[in-house]
Amino acid sequence: DGGITQSPKYLFRKEGQNVTLSCEQNLNHDAMYWYRQDPGQGLRLIYYSQIVNDFQKGDIAEGYSVSREKKESFPLTVTSAQKNPTAFYLCASSKMTGGGTNEKLFFGSGTQLSVL
Amino acid sequence: AQSVAQPEDQVNVAEGNPLTVKCTYSVSGNPYLFWYVQYPNRGLQFLLKYITGDNLVKGSYGFEAEFNKSQTSFHLKKPSALVSDSALYFCAVRVRSNDYKLSFGAGTTVTVRA
Repeated sequence: DGGITQSPKYLFRKEGQNVTLSCEQNLNHDAMYWYRQDPGQGLRLIYYSQIVNDFQKGDIAEGYSVSREKKESFPLTVTSAQKNPTAFYLCASSKMTGGGTNEKLFFGSGTQLSVL
Repeated sequence: AQSVAQPEDQVNVAEGNPLTVKCTYSVSGNPYLFWYVQYPNRGLQFLLKYITGDNLVKGSYGFEAEFNKSQTSFHLKKPSALVSDSALYFCAVRVRSNDYKLSFGAGTTVTVRA
């Protein structure tokens, strides 16, 4: 089955620790995204990548880092600089078309990150 | 800048009644508009989109939405709600450019009572 796999489902971070959230897709999509979901605030974009070895900051990139070494993978690291990391993190991907006729996002099932 | 407003945090309806979830947007240029649904502890699922053409868009699970340019709205509707439609609904927008960044609304929780 094609889709997006996020792991782990639950993750706990200690004070001062960096943690990495995994996101893998086998949909052959060029674009990948990381969103943060907080209750009552909807989804906010952290980073996105339209091509391998390139990525752009979203609206709330501070305290986060990403890499895009392979088309299939877009891991997100939550660094110790992110002072309020507790949230539900969603990875997504989409096919890129010049005409914009097929731009729906496909989402993973999410990772709930909590601070110990 | 682009933004989306969902003015209602919660919508409650009885099963079989019409369901409407409101969305207004603000963009510089022509918008691409989307609706997504999230069931508990799950990722979002695509419902429908407006790109161009007919202002009434039909999507998954019997949902439809109407694009109204003069009112900058894209309300989601379903003629007869089901208990299984209870979920969190998000409206999203982006402009027609090479930037594929979507802006999401805060979400509306829909509860359909039996």
